[in-house]
Amino acid sequence: GAVVSQHPSWVICKSGTSVKIECRSLDFQATTMFWYRQFPKQSLMLMATSNEGSKATYEQGVEKDKFLINHASLTLSTLTVTSAHPEDSSFYICSARSSSGAHYNEQFFGPGTRLTVL
Amino acid sequence: AQSVTQLDSHVSVSEGTPVLLRCNYSSSYSPSLFWYVQHPNKGLQLLLKYTSAATLVKGINGFEAEFKKSETSFHLTKPSAHMSDAAEYFCVVSGTGGGNKLTFGTGTQLKVEL
Repeated sequence: GAVVSQHPSWVICKSGTSVKIECRSLDFQATTMFWYRQFPKQSLMLMATSNEGSKATYEQGVEKDKFLINHASLTLSTLTVTSAHPEDSSFYICSARSSSGAHYNEQFFGPGTRLTVL
Repeated sequence: AQSVTQLDSHVSVSEGTPVLLRCNYSSSYSPSLFWYVQHPNKGLQLLLKYTSAATLVKGINGFEAEFKKSETSFHLTKPSAHMSDAAEYFCVVSGTGGGNKLTFGTGTQLKVEL
């Protein structure tokens, strides 16, 4: 139990296009999900906190208009990188915090999405 | 505010020898502390966590960590390294006052040699 999936696992896109990444909690509900980015050989940096049914909370320095987050259901959050540029190339990882059951309040991480912008 | 400092960016050990990955934390609240492992191009796997119960925490794959409040440390240890332990390890702190946000250390790359 407590599995989080991300789709796609990797994506290559042209500069200027938009890319959507999905994060799903497969067997639990998550009112809160988190989006991180990780540059090569670096740590994870929290980008934003995604709240089901309300606006996401962005960390300082993260452009909300560039990184659009939608958390439309208790099992799905999406991150859309708009007008992507090469500097947006990174490993994006989501986590979901269980809102009920045996794993209440625990966070579980997705496998990550590798974004490469040409 | 909360933070973690991983004192070594790289650790190299021989297979069968002990592993020590060091972590110091800072938190304004009673912290929860975690160790995660990340294999190349993979997501994170939870090794163990401390949440104010027993100070010696046992995790998966033979890893354990001891919470020492007086030293603000949460070092990760394993008695005998295996080749499959080679990975990146992250020490993470979460404080109740921080909305359960996780703050990651910079990571320690563990290399295991024959």
